[in-house]
Amino acid sequence: QVQLVESGGGVVQPGRSLRLSCAASGFTFISYAMHWVRQAPGKGLEWVATISYEGSNKYYADSVKGRFTLSRDNSRNTLYLQMNSLRAEDTALYYCARDPTLWGYESNYFDHWGQGTLVTVSS
Amino acid sequence: EIVLTQSPGTLSLSPGERATLSCRASQSVSSNYLAWYQQRPGQAPRLLIYDASSRATGIPDRFSGSGSGTDFTLTISRLDPGDFALYYCQQYDSSLTFGGGTKVEIK
Repeated sequence: QVQLVESGGGVVQPGRSLRLSCAASGFTFISYAMHWVRQAPGKGLEWVATISYEGSNKYYADSVKGRFTLSRDNSRNTLYLQMNSLRAEDTALYYCARDPTLWGYESNYFDHWGQGTLVTVSS
Repeated sequence: EIVLTQSPGTLSLSPGERATLSCRASQSVSSNYLAWYQQRPGQAPRLLIYDASSRATGIPDRFSGSGSGTDFTLTISRLDPGDFALYYCQQYDSSLTFGGGTKVEIK
């Protein structure tokens, strides 16, 4: 079955960096676009970033553009989110999620989700 | 950016009752590119509906989606105990945005 396991969260000071990972299993990782979605404590969902199945196309929410970088290692079935210049408003549970479309253009909704990794930005 | 407004904020119902959740878009959502998710406490969201009315794999047929343009509805025909949760709509026509959520609670 599809499994997505996030890691790398923690407490970090404002202005510092953190790298999140998402280990995928149970499906052919290279065939699917992937996304990050976050949820601030007690708040709703916010899309963060998307990467195409082969990694050449990347899209970011305005709130993280220029600070966050998405990448993937298809040989390791792993998705990464490099987060720089972190701010208090980046505090959230970060979910890795799969796009449902096999190959081709992203559908841009999410058919499988991980359990999330918590990032807390605080001095 | 397409803003999605969900109503009501909270829906208080009893098991077995019908739930009707609304999602209104600030501009037309082309090709009905709208999804619905359920989020139970302490859990990740789960896809229920995509393309406004298509049920995701494994979703019971008591969940149905309808609507087009700017007005969309998620209907749960008979509430099971496990259906008391938060529900979010999401559009994927122009970038990706979520609604603020509707909580379905036990009356």
